[in-house]
Amino acid sequence: SQQGEEDPQALSIQEGENATMNCSYKTSINNLQWYRQNSGRGLVHLILIRSNEREKHSGRLRVTLDTSKKSSSLLITASRAADTASYFCATEYYNQGGKLIFGQGTELSVKP
Amino acid sequence: KAGVTQTPRYLIKTRGQQVTLSCSPISGHRSVSWYQQTPGQGLQFLFEYFSETQRNKGNFPGRFSGRQFSNSRSEMNVSTLELGDSALYLCASSLAGRGQVNTEAFFGQGTRLTVV
Repeated sequence: SQQGEEDPQALSIQEGENATMNCSYKTSINNLQWYRQNSGRGLVHLILIRSNEREKHSGRLRVTLDTSKKSSSLLITASRAADTASYFCATEYYNQGGKLIFGQGTELSVKP
Repeated sequence: KAGVTQTPRYLIKTRGQQVTLSCSPISGHRSVSWYQQTPGQGLQFLFEYFSETQRNKGNFPGRFSGRQFSNSRSEMNVSTLELGDSALYLCASSLAGRGQVNTEAFFGQGTRLTVV
């Protein structure tokens, strides 16, 4: 399968705690993106990190990319109940612009 | 700016029938891609269109087809429906173009297809 792998598959934390999700992929990429999905609805784009970038921030989100290990992590700081959702990493492989390969996702539950 | 619009939102079909789903991309976006999401297989890429041409295709049988019109709107068709085709079908549009990468994809709310 071309799909990347994410871990953990499920994560349950208390409000205010940090949540970390990891993603691994297989071959050279143009970029890696993170998406959020609430209850089987559409995907919301969170952040895009290019292959020549190592870290990127957006609000309470921090993404790192290690191309030597073919892995990425998403950190959500000071989690809120509203962050409860499924989070997916997606890779755009080299020379395949417009095609995203998704990981299996991490189901995050933030308890108030 | 209007987002990606998918119609219909819900659909129930019988095995053996065919179905057509529609996607209107964000204005100015010429790349439209389709994904199938199921609990067992997750999110899987179906195909991507740019300027009315299919650029990329996933590993799905020929029963799954699509097309893109000159206004960038896209349709996907599934013929001879099987129970396993029950899924959430998501459409995404982006600015990805010829030689242009590193563009985020904007997703519609999806069409929930149930095959009975």
